[in-house]
Amino acid sequence: KAGVTQTPRYLIKTRGQQVTLSCSPISGHRSVSWYQQTPGQGLQFLFEYFSETQRNKGNFPGRFSGRQFSNSRSEMNVSTLELGDSALYLCASSLSTGAGTTEAFFGQGTRLTVV
Amino acid sequence: DAKTTQPPSMDCAEGRAANLPCNHSTISGNEYVYWYRQIHSQGPQYIIHGLKNNETNEMASLIITEDRKSSTLILPHATLRDTAVYYCIVRLTNTGNQFYFGTGTSLTVIP
Repeated sequence: KAGVTQTPRYLIKTRGQQVTLSCSPISGHRSVSWYQQTPGQGLQFLFEYFSETQRNKGNFPGRFSGRQFSNSRSEMNVSTLELGDSALYLCASSLSTGAGTTEAFFGQGTRLTVV
Repeated sequence: DAKTTQPPSMDCAEGRAANLPCNHSTISGNEYVYWYRQIHSQGPQYIIHGLKNNETNEMASLIITEDRKSSTLILPHATLRDTAVYYCIVRLTNTGNQFYFGTGTSLTVIP
């Protein structure tokens, strides 16, 4: 069974640009969450999508947005990039049913560098 | 917000058991304890989770105290590949797929 796939693995962007990151969850998983990891702030929850709807949101500015497609694949977009957006962006997928959500499986992440 | 407290770092001799403690004194009755680990620059890896009973799988054992205010993750025979940051997370399972990570414990397995 294929794991969570994130593309691209590495990205360099210039301040002010926008970027789109992609995440393909494990087959059958309908919940996709995004996280930002920086040395200073650690691993922080960005948002979660389930059945194409944002279900939960962390404390990040509106420059960070996402969406989920009918096949559960998800994209995350960051507009007007700032130097502080340089981070490892992680995606996690989970089998979420009416009984709840259990463990999440993470991808290898996208390393974004803003210059 | 992270609701757990973990020591920032620990060492363990290769082949010995690694016991990683976690305090979660404000845990509510329906919150689970999850453990993940992250090897440098990789995505976090799920290890184990439990509610009140002790749990064991092929990777580790999870011991939860009777009052549920603390737990211990046990890696029975630590290897060099177990060197990683270990995160203890408390969460509900009916509120979605968000995990709030604290600072974790950096475990170094020494040859």
